[in-house]
Amino acid sequence: KAGVTQTPRYLIKTRGQQVTLSCSPISGHRSVSWYQQTPGQGLQFLFEYFSETQRNKGNFPGRFSGRQFSNSRSEMNVSTLELGDSALYLCASSTEQGWRAGANVLTFGAGSRLTVL
Amino acid sequence: AQKVTQAQTEISVVEKEDVTLDCVYETRDTTYYLFWYKQPPSGELVFLIRRNSFDEQNEISGRYSWNFQKSTSSFNFTITASQVVDSAVYFCALKDNDMRFGAGTRLTVKP
Repeated sequence: KAGVTQTPRYLIKTRGQQVTLSCSPISGHRSVSWYQQTPGQGLQFLFEYFSETQRNKGNFPGRFSGRQFSNSRSEMNVSTLELGDSALYLCASSTEQGWRAGANVLTFGAGSRLTVL
Repeated sequence: AQKVTQAQTEISVVEKEDVTLDCVYETRDTTYYLFWYKQPPSGELVFLIRRNSFDEQNEISGRYSWNFQKSTSSFNFTITASQVVDSAVYFCALKDNDMRFGAGTRLTVKP
C-alpha cells in the first residue's frame, strides 16, 4: 500500500514568489491535513480538508491556502513568500473525518522542504 | 497557549541504556487523545501510540512502554535497551479541540 506522497521534496524560491505543494494521500483516506515544521515554532497545524471541504484552519495568514480535489489529493499554496516561510511542510492523511469525529491517526508524508531566499 | 510540553530538548544515551521521554499536557476537555510520533532523519513522522483520556492503562509494545497519568497530566514514553535505530526526534501530541504537538525531543543513541 503506497504511503502519503508529497511533491516536490525540495524547492528553493525567492521572496515574493508563490509556491504550490502537492500531497497524494493513502488510497481510501479522505482527510488530508497540512503542517508547517520549523526549528523555532515546531510543528504547527495549517489546515485540514475532508471531501473537498476545509474543515479546520490553523492560525496562519491568508497567504496560506489549500484545496482538495475529488480524488482526495490536496494542494497547498503560499503566496508572496517571506523568508520566515522556509520550513518543512508536512502532509498527513487519515480515514476519519475532522477533528471532532474522533482521534485521527495521521499517516505523514516525508514532507516538502521549502527554502525562501 | 502551550498545550504540550516536552521539556527535554535533546537526550543522548549509549546503546542498551533505558531512556524516558517526558510529556506534560494541558487541556480543559474531559475527552482528549494523546499521541506519540517518531520522526527519523528521513523526515516522515511515524505513529507510535494513541491513548484516550479514559484509558489510563499503561501500555507496552516490545521495547516501548507508555505511562499515562491524568493526575499529573503526563504521558511519558520509555524505550528499554535502546538501539541506534531509535535515534530520532520524538513528538508528543494532544488532540482536544485541535491537534497540538510538543516541540519534540531529539534522542541520540550512540553505539
